[in-house]
Amino acid sequence: GENVEQHPSTLSVQEGDSAVIKCTYSDSASNYFPWYKQELGKRPQLIIDIRSNVGEKKDQRIAVTLNKTAKHFSLHITETQPEDSAVYFCAASIDGNNRLAFGKGNQVVVIP
Amino acid sequence: GAVVSQHPSRVICKSGTSVKIECRSLDFQATTMFWYRQFPKKSLMLMATSNEGSKATYEQGVEKDKFLINHASLTLSTLTVTSAHPEDSSFYICSASKGLGNQPQHFGDGTRLSIL
Repeated sequence: GENVEQHPSTLSVQEGDSAVIKCTYSDSASNYFPWYKQELGKRPQLIIDIRSNVGEKKDQRIAVTLNKTAKHFSLHITETQPEDSAVYFCAASIDGNNRLAFGKGNQVVVIP
Repeated sequence: GAVVSQHPSRVICKSGTSVKIECRSLDFQATTMFWYRQFPKKSLMLMATSNEGSKATYEQGVEKDKFLINHASLTLSTLTVTSAHPEDSSFYICSASKGLGNQPQHFGDGTRLSIL
């Protein structure tokens, strides 16, 4: 089955700096990779996703890159703000029926 | 759009009680709904996939007789934790997606279940 690894588990950055979270996956058949942001006590919110037919996608301060050969994908947050502080989860599709395998999450702390 | 409502948000009950959790898609028809379990500071663990009008598909290690799932309509799925015990205490969260294939999943607010 699909195994998703996420690193680092905790990341502290100064406000204004960039944050990068990396995930690896094991199943070469995976073709959909979403990223979710979960603030304390709240629901996971989809912030960006990428499909295997593209290598990079950007939405304002957030970007995701995908390397299918190496089976890893990364989330990039630029010009970080205190409200970016949250747990970020990566996920990879298990099959074509929308099932997802999630990484363990990354606690991002933006220091004002 | 794509709002998912989950109810109740918090349940505290005695051991042996059965607890029903509802997941509703408010502004779209959800072809598929998913049920996850999340332990403190841990990831989301997929329990089962629920398709409207058919039996749920359970992940390996998840007892289908323990966690009953019903997906009666395109906007409602329910998870019933039967004869709950303290080890069933956890955060249960549902998600819903539109259409077929790999579509974005939209999550509910989750249910904190505490079994005494």
